[in-house]
Amino acid sequence: EPEVTQTPSHQVTQMGQEVILRCVPISNHLYFYWYRQILGQKVEFLVSFYNNEISEKSEIFDDQFSVERPDGSNFTLKIRSTKLEDSAMYFCASSNNSPLHFGNGTRLTVT
Amino acid sequence: AQSVTQPDIHITVSEGASLELRCNYSYGATPYLFWYVQSPGQGLQLLLKYFSGDTLVQGIKGFEAEFKRSQSSFNLRKPSVHWSDAAEYFCAVATDSWGKFQFGAGTQVVVTP
Repeated sequence: EPEVTQTPSHQVTQMGQEVILRCVPISNHLYFYWYRQILGQKVEFLVSFYNNEISEKSEIFDDQFSVERPDGSNFTLKIRSTKLEDSAMYFCASSNNSPLHFGNGTRLTVT
Repeated sequence: AQSVTQPDIHITVSEGASLELRCNYSYGATPYLFWYVQSPGQGLQLLLKYFSGDTLVQGIKGFEAEFKRSQSSFNLRKPSVHWSDAAEYFCAVATDSWGKFQFGAGTQVVVTP
């Protein structure tokens, strides 16, 4: 069964540094998403992306965040200047007008 | 505002016993409802979904869930749990689009021998 793959599985970065989290969605999917889960908290919606543009974003997704689909396969989340509170598990998901398929997540630790 | 509540943070169940996980939602219209499972170090795997029609839905791994509109509930059940069912279970509601899911806080299931 096709899978959503995310790299790296764990990223450690210093506060103020830029990070890029990478995702390869399922190949025929058209809708792409990022969610995050701060330790001990709910999984939260960040952003959805369709037709090469953001279709919806949450209040969490401020100017420090950006998403990009640089080629036909990758979907990236960039955090421009990380803060301690950005430490979380970040999940990429994709769909084709169907339930979301999630990747295994990237655990981001900001020190 | 929409919300999803999973009242039980943690459940311990014996292997072979039945399991029921509760989920209540608050939403103005008939929502799209989902249950996902997260094993340690893994992503979120879809167990089952409800869009419309038969209110009892069957999922993978022997799970089922029943949508009860009158109670705004979508409880997940399994008649006989296996040790491999130990995981965290999330109820989710799709609100105004396919992808903007609202998740419950999750229920951690521990299976004892």
